Amino acid sequence: KAGVTQTPRYLIKTRGQQVTLSCSPISGHRSVSWYQQTPGQGLQFLFEYFSETQRNKGNFPGRFSGRQFSNSRSEMNVSTLELGDSALYLCASSSRQRETGVNEQFFGPGTRLTVL
Amino acid sequence: AQKITQTQPGMFVQEKEAVTLDCTYDTSDQSYGLFWYKQPSSGEMIFLIYQGSYDEQNATEGRYSLNFQKARKSANLVISASQLGDSAMYFCAMREGNRDSNYQLIWGAGTKLIIKP
Repeated sequence: KAGVTQTPRYLIKTRGQQVTLSCSPISGHRSVSWYQQTPGQGLQFLFEYFSETQRNKGNFPGRFSGRQFSNSRSEMNVSTLELGDSALYLCASSSRQRETGVNEQFFGPGTRLTVL
Repeated sequence: AQKITQTQPGMFVQEKEAVTLDCTYDTSDQSYGLFWYKQPSSGEMIFLIYQGSYDEQNATEGRYSLNFQKARKSANLVISASQLGDSAMYFCAMREGNRDSNYQLIWGAGTKLIIKP
């Protein structure tokens, strides 16, 4: 089974631009979560999508948005980029493990965004 | 207040020794889950082990075990017989609510573990 894939792996943008990141979950997984990781703030939850609906949202400004398609692939968009948006953006997909009942999250390699 | 606290920013451990990474948590929920993830320098998060709040036994996965002390709200990760490949950042995370609720992980700041040959 292929793992979670994220594209692109690296991205350089300038302030004021917008960016779209893509995440393809593990086949059969319907939940996709996004996280931002920075040296200063650590790992912070952005949002979670399940069956094309945003089910949960972290404490981020409206410049951060996302969506999920019918095939469970997800995109997140950041508009009007700021220097502080430079981070590793991690996507995770999950599906409840029948044996244990644990909703384990499998992570992709991340997209490293640099805003100049 | 911090919900997940990892008090060790970094640790050096001799190869083959056991190592304990500390994690304390704060929640008023009765039902919650605790996770440990490993993040090598490549950046990918690797799931290690899970402990549910109602699980009576400490979780174990190969060389990893979780020392769960519910009354103290502590969920320390124990790695036995450490290996050079264990060098990485280790994160403790918590999911509040029941298994079928919205799925959001709250993360600790991480511990950088370096295994010395």
